[in-house]
Amino acid sequence: QKEVEQDPGPLSVPEGAIVSLNCTYSNSAFQYFMWYRQYSRKGPELLMYTYSSGNKEDGRFTAQVDKSSKYISLFIRDSQPSDSATYLCAMSRGYGQNFVFGPGTRLSVLP
Amino acid sequence: DADVTQTPRNRITKTGKRIMLECSQTKGHDRMYWYRQDPGLGLRLIYYSFDVKDINKGEISDGYSVSRQAQAKFSLSLESAIPNQTALYFCATSELGQFNEQFFGPGTRLTVL
Repeated sequence: QKEVEQDPGPLSVPEGAIVSLNCTYSNSAFQYFMWYRQYSRKGPELLMYTYSSGNKEDGRFTAQVDKSSKYISLFIRDSQPSDSATYLCAMSRGYGQNFVFGPGTRLSVLP
Repeated sequence: DADVTQTPRNRITKTGKRIMLECSQTKGHDRMYWYRQDPGLGLRLIYYSFDVKDINKGEISDGYSVSRQAQAKFSLSLESAIPNQTALYFCATSELGQFNEQFFGPGTRLTVL
């Protein structure tokens, strides 16, 4: 079993839809959770981060962590074609620790 | 100018050849990383360095070596390339921090024939 699992997609949605992207993980020691966005032919860039359980909102994006279920989510409201990218979850065990990345979900938002 | 640059951006080589991928950064970060990205497997850590005198193996270091020539430069070498090293390679940098945010270069697409 991989340490971090993520549905690879591709996921295609119409513009304006609410998108839910998810990761599950097996290591209960993970405490820091991040979402990276990667456009085609580019390197990943940090989108959002959260510590431990709970929600965090930033504009159209909401990150949720449920440590009891070892499950994290990224919600995108009012999705736009510019949101079309691969979304990678990442997590680490502690301060300054290296990340473990999920394989990524490819999202296409159709105009 | 980009904060993290990688050269070359694309490379096609043959089995058995020695290849070096180079990474430079202007962010002033101490920490640098090399990852490879494969479809369905995501980003996997090859080597990382927390300062010029520190080199550490990552998840998949076999067949690779690195050199940290300066704070700003971190090179990845494939001593004798093989076809299953065909992948997208990313360099990243970070400062020590709570979320250790990593800043990625644009990637090098390597094909080994």
